[in-house]
Amino acid sequence: QKEVEQNSGPLSVPEGAIASLNCTYSDRGSQSFFWYRQYSGKSPELIMSIYSNGDKEDGRFTAQLNKASQYVSLLIRDSQPSDSATYLCAVNTGFQKLVFGTGTRLLVSP
Amino acid sequence: ETGVTQTPRHLVMGMTNKKSLKCEQHLGHNAMYWYKQSAKKPLELMFVYSLEERVENNSVPSRFSPECPNSSHLFLHLHTLQPEDSALYLCASSQAQREDEQYFGPGTRLTVT
Repeated sequence: QKEVEQNSGPLSVPEGAIASLNCTYSDRGSQSFFWYRQYSGKSPELIMSIYSNGDKEDGRFTAQLNKASQYVSLLIRDSQPSDSATYLCAVNTGFQKLVFGTGTRLLVSP
Repeated sequence: ETGVTQTPRHLVMGMTNKKSLKCEQHLGHNAMYWYKQSAKKPLELMFVYSLEERVENNSVPSRFSPECPNSSHLFLHLHTLQPEDSALYLCASSQAQREDEQYFGPGTRLTVT
């Protein structure tokens, strides 16, 4: 069983729409959760972190966490073509270890 | 230089060669990481150094040998690699005990011929 699962996509949304990216994880003891953005040919960049159940908003980004369902999501409001990238979900399983999903490729069309 | 730097950015090597990848962080962090990123696979954690001590070795083949001489520098020594080792090798750093906020370097694209 994969530890962190994401739909590989691509997820295609028109400019201005809301993009919804989802992630599930298997380790129930996980305490912290992250979203990284990776542009093609570039390295991952941390964009959101969430530690407790509920929503966390930062600009156009909202991270949502439901520990009971072992589910994390990232919403991107007013999507822009510049948001087109692969979004990696990462889970801190402890012992200085982040476990990453394979990523969801997002395409925002003008 | 700012952030996390890696050299070289691209490397082509034969299976019998020996080469080294270098990573340097300018963020004042004291934990450093090597990851391997292959197509269609999740980022794979290879090694973790915290306060200059290795704390994680994720069943990596011995043909990969890490070295962390101080908290700012990390090396990955490569020898007798296989074609399946071709991948993007990423270095990251964080504060020790804050592995959740890792900052990545640009990576070294390695091709083994």
